[in-house]
Amino acid sequence: QVQLVESGGGLVKPGGSLRLSCAASGFPFGDYFMSWIRQAPGKGLEWVSYITTGNTFYADSVRGRFTISRDTSKNSLYLQMNSLRAEDTAVYYCARDRAVHAFDIWGQGTMVTVSS
Amino acid sequence: EIVLTQSPGTLSLSPGERATLSCRASQSVSNNYLAWYQQKPGQAPRLLIYAASSGATGIPDRFSGSGSGTDFTLTISRLEPEDFAVYYCQQYGSSPRTFGQGTKVEIK
Repeated sequence: QVQLVESGGGLVKPGGSLRLSCAASGFPFGDYFMSWIRQAPGKGLEWVSYITTGNTFYADSVRGRFTISRDTSKNSLYLQMNSLRAEDTAVYYCARDRAVHAFDIWGQGTMVTVSS
Repeated sequence: EIVLTQSPGTLSLSPGERATLSCRASQSVSNNYLAWYQQKPGQAPRLLIYAASSGATGIPDRFSGSGSGTDFTLTISRLEPEDFAVYYCQQYGSSPRTFGQGTKVEIK
């Protein structure tokens, strides 16, 4: 079935790096835009980044520190996170980003904690 | 950046009652690309409505969306016990794709 599974979360010190992965299955991954969204503990949803077939877009809060990428041969989406800050602590979700149909499929999320 | 403001912050209702949730945008949402999501504790959000008024696959018809431009509404015609959750609106017509702060629908 159509599914997204995130991995790579964990505990990292401020200033450190982490790479999140999102494995897609059940649909032609290369045909779709994909997004990362995060949710700090007890807070609302914050869009982080999305990738089309050839372009990338970022929220101001992560631009220059985070890099989104995809490997169509592996049906995988990635988020390289550098220079991490305490305020980056959140559950990170990947989602299928359909131009008209919004974010119709979400993964279960992976927790990132930035703390010394 | 388009700022989305949801109201009320919390809605206290009983099962069977009608829920009306509002989402107001700071500027017009391109193509009325406004979506509504439901999120329960410990779960990922679920898409309910896209393009302001189109129901997502598998969503019960008690959920409906309306509005255009800067003012949008999610209506739940008769609340079921499983509908008590947090609801977010999101605009995806322009970048950055912003979310509202959420409305919690709680049992009265």
